Amino acid sequence: KQEVTQIPAALSVPEGENLVLNCSFTDSAIYNLQWFRQDPGKGLTSLLLIQSSQREQTSGRLNASLDKSSGRSTLYIAASQPGDSATYLCAVEGNTPLVFGKGTRLSVIA
Amino acid sequence: DAGVIQSPRHEVTEMGQEVTLRCKPISGHDYLFWYRQTMMRGLELLIYFNNNVPIDDSGMPEDRFSAKMPNASFSTLKIQPSEPRDSAVYFCASSPGQGRGYTFGSGTRLTVV
Repeated sequence: KQEVTQIPAALSVPEGENLVLNCSFTDSAIYNLQWFRQDPGKGLTSLLLIQSSQREQTSGRLNASLDKSSGRSTLYIAASQPGDSATYLCAVEGNTPLVFGKGTRLSVIA
Repeated sequence: DAGVIQSPRHEVTEMGQEVTLRCKPISGHDYLFWYRQTMMRGLELLIYFNNNVPIDDSGMPEDRFSAKMPNASFSTLKIQPSEPRDSAVYFCASSPGQGRGYTFGSGTRLTVV
């Protein structure tokens, strides 16, 4: 059974810092990995989708990497801003639909 | 495209009442998923459909929960009778196919008192 773990559970940083969020998964037989953002009381917004054959994807200040063999992904956020404050969720799709981690709650302090 | 549309956004009901949550997937997406999010357990898959056919309902917690997809543009999740422990946010998502990413709706926040 696929399990997804995200560390840290919460993170607080000053504005302008570069930061890394970590995600690990137990079963490397995946189709893809998807990073989402969730604002309090809101739905999930897809940030990046990395196919199993890819090593990384970039969108603006966000860069996600995937090491399928070791079961790890990182989400790098450059020059963080208060508007980046949210919960970031990692999810993997394999032989079963998306399995989610518990998320990392990020606070960027102005 | 308007995205995945869920209704209602909020639902407050009394224990024992029937609750029906609704979802309209993105046109052309063959897969539809129902997830539930709680503080304790995070996001959990309840059931998913492919071309309107239920594929896996092993995540449905009890027989009180049922889901239907009568056509490609509409799905319902029904809880009868509802209990306080069903209080959660219920999300619907759709996907054009395996490996092609999911799009989530805004969710329905259910409170059973």
